[in-house]
Amino acid sequence: KAGVTQTPRYLIKTRGQQVTLSCSPISGHRSVSWYQQTPGQGLQFLFEYFSETQRNKGNFPGRFSGRQFSNSRSEMNVSTLELGDSALYLCASSVGLTSGNEQFFGPGTRLTVL
Amino acid sequence: AQSVTQLDSHVSVSEGTPVLLRCNYSSSYSPSLFWYVQHPNKGLQLLLKYTSAATLVKGINGFEAEFKKSETSFHLTKPSAHMSDAAEYFCVVSPNDYKLSFGAGTTVTVRA
Repeated sequence: KAGVTQTPRYLIKTRGQQVTLSCSPISGHRSVSWYQQTPGQGLQFLFEYFSETQRNKGNFPGRFSGRQFSNSRSEMNVSTLELGDSALYLCASSVGLTSGNEQFFGPGTRLTVL
Repeated sequence: AQSVTQLDSHVSVSEGTPVLLRCNYSSSYSPSLFWYVQHPNKGLQLLLKYTSAATLVKGINGFEAEFKKSETSFHLTKPSAHMSDAAEYFCVVSPNDYKLSFGAGTTVTVRA
């Protein structure tokens, strides 16, 4: 079974631009979660989608948004980029039926904002 | 609010000696608990998970963790460290809201 894939793997943007990151979950998984990893703040939860509905979201500004498609693929968008948005963005998928279901992580997208 | 505290930011051990990574959690009810490992420039990999079935949980690569409700702890151990165990380890709690809350991480260094 193929793992979680994220595209692109690396991105360089400038302040004020917007960016869209993509995540393809493991086949059969209906839940996709997004996390931001930075040296200063560690790993922080952004949001989680299940069957195209956002079930939970973290404490991030409205510039961070996401969506999930009918095939469970997910995208997250960050508008009006700031220097502090430079981070590794990780996507994870799971069966999603209970909170204890294991989450499988992708390799991440490394975003650099200049 | 549910959270985890990893008591050591860095642990250094000699190859072949035991490893102990400490984690305390806070939760208003029985959460799911996990340990994940992240090797340099790699994604996160699940080592083991606790979901109330058994208090001693065995994971991959010889790791195990013991859930102690009275101490609100979920420490990770391995009897004999290998060079390939050098990585960052995260203790993670998942209350009943479909999100993972990560600890700050413990960096493990293994000396030859």
